[in-house]
Amino acid sequence: GQQVMQIPQYQHVQEGEDFTTYCNSSTTLSNIQWYKQRPGGHPVFLIQLVKSGEVKKQKRLTFQFGEAKKNSSLHITATQTTDVGTYFCASAGLNYGGSQGNLIFGKGTKLSVKP
Amino acid sequence: NAGVTQTPKFQVLKTGQSMTLQCAQDMNHEYMSWYRQDPGMGLRLIHYSVGAGITDQGEVPNGYNVSRSTTEDFPLRLLSAAPSQTSVYFCASTSLAGANVLTFGAGSRLTVL
Repeated sequence: GQQVMQIPQYQHVQEGEDFTTYCNSSTTLSNIQWYKQRPGGHPVFLIQLVKSGEVKKQKRLTFQFGEAKKNSSLHITATQTTDVGTYFCASAGLNYGGSQGNLIFGKGTKLSVKP
Repeated sequence: NAGVTQTPKFQVLKTGQSMTLQCAQDMNHEYMSWYRQDPGMGLRLIHYSVGAGITDQGEVPNGYNVSRSTTEDFPLRLLSAAPSQTSVYFCASTSLAGANVLTFGAGSRLTVL
């Protein structure tokens, strides 16, 4: 079935360093969403990308959607301790009845930041 | 607005016991779903519903039942708990008329001994 592969699984950085997580699919994605889950918390929506080659920014976070709509990345510039958490990419899955609400999640990248 | 409310937050069960995880949303969302989260496995879809009276299976439905008698509520039932069902469970909802952004509940941590 449809899968979304996310790498790396873990990333440890020094505060102030940059961080990037990548999301890849073997099939064309209709859209890509990114969520952040703080330790002990629940996933919280960050952003959605829909168009081929789309780039969106939220302060120090930059999100990209590949030209072929098969990959995406999240880049954080100059990480801070508040960035700690697990970042998930997700896309509408067509495996289960085709409902656009059914998101297929990557396994996430767990970011730790050393002060 | 409370958003998505899940109860209980924590539960310990013995193998073979049954229980229900409750989920309620006050956003009038048509779509509701249950995910389980296990270390290194990400979030996996258990069951979902696109409206009252309609439910369907996701990726890992075995051992779980759901029902959707109202728009607001979507309980998840474990009829005979097994240790493999030890996990963190998240309920989520969205409006199918919008961008399909999921709003998650705070989660329910279940341990089956």
